[in-house]
Amino acid sequence: EAQVTQNPRYLITVTGKKLTVTCSQNMNHEYMSWYRQDPGLGLRQIYYSMNVEVTDKGDVPEGYKVSRKEKRNFPLILESPSPNQTSLYFCASSFYLPRTASGANVLTFGAGSRLTVL
Amino acid sequence: AQSVTQLDSHVSVSEGTPVLLRCNYSSSYSPSLFWYVQHPNKGLQLLLKYTSAATLVKGINGFEAEFKKSETSFHLTKPSAHMSDAAEYFCVVNTNAGKSTFGDGTTLTVKP
Repeated sequence: EAQVTQNPRYLITVTGKKLTVTCSQNMNHEYMSWYRQDPGLGLRQIYYSMNVEVTDKGDVPEGYKVSRKEKRNFPLILESPSPNQTSLYFCASSFYLPRTASGANVLTFGAGSRLTVL
Repeated sequence: AQSVTQLDSHVSVSEGTPVLLRCNYSSSYSPSLFWYVQHPNKGLQLLLKYTSAATLVKGINGFEAEFKKSETSFHLTKPSAHMSDAAEYFCVVNTNAGKSTFGDGTTLTVKP
């Protein structure tokens, strides 16, 4: 089954304790992205990656790191989590095609990871 | 730079009546535009997309949207609401550079 898998789905941690949220896709997608969802703010893009070893900042990258060493994996790293990073996180992926193609940039989302930082 | 404005944070309709969820966008490039739906405690699912082909786009579950460049709008409509349509809806603009910008979302309530 084609899917984006995030782990963990739920995590409660404490300030300053490094954590990694993993994201893996089995669709051979070039493009992967991380978002955080907060009430009333929609989804905000944290980082994205156009392909292996190519990453770029989204709108809210502060406090996060990413890496893209393999095409299928795009982990999100919180080196020193703080309470303001308590949120619902989504990973998504897509093929990277010219925008005129019918399937251009249609994102497939993971189920979400709910993170609480105390 | 690009931005998305969903003009209503909450919309309430009665079952069987039309739905209109409004979205305006701004983009320095010709954008791709999308509507996604999120049901409670679920992930996001694509409803429909516009990628510079036909300006009237049909999606799943009877939804459609019309791209109006002159008005920079991409409003989502459905002729007759169903109880299962109750969810949060997001308008999204993408550029070829990989940036995706979501609107703040519109919560649709459907009354029996």
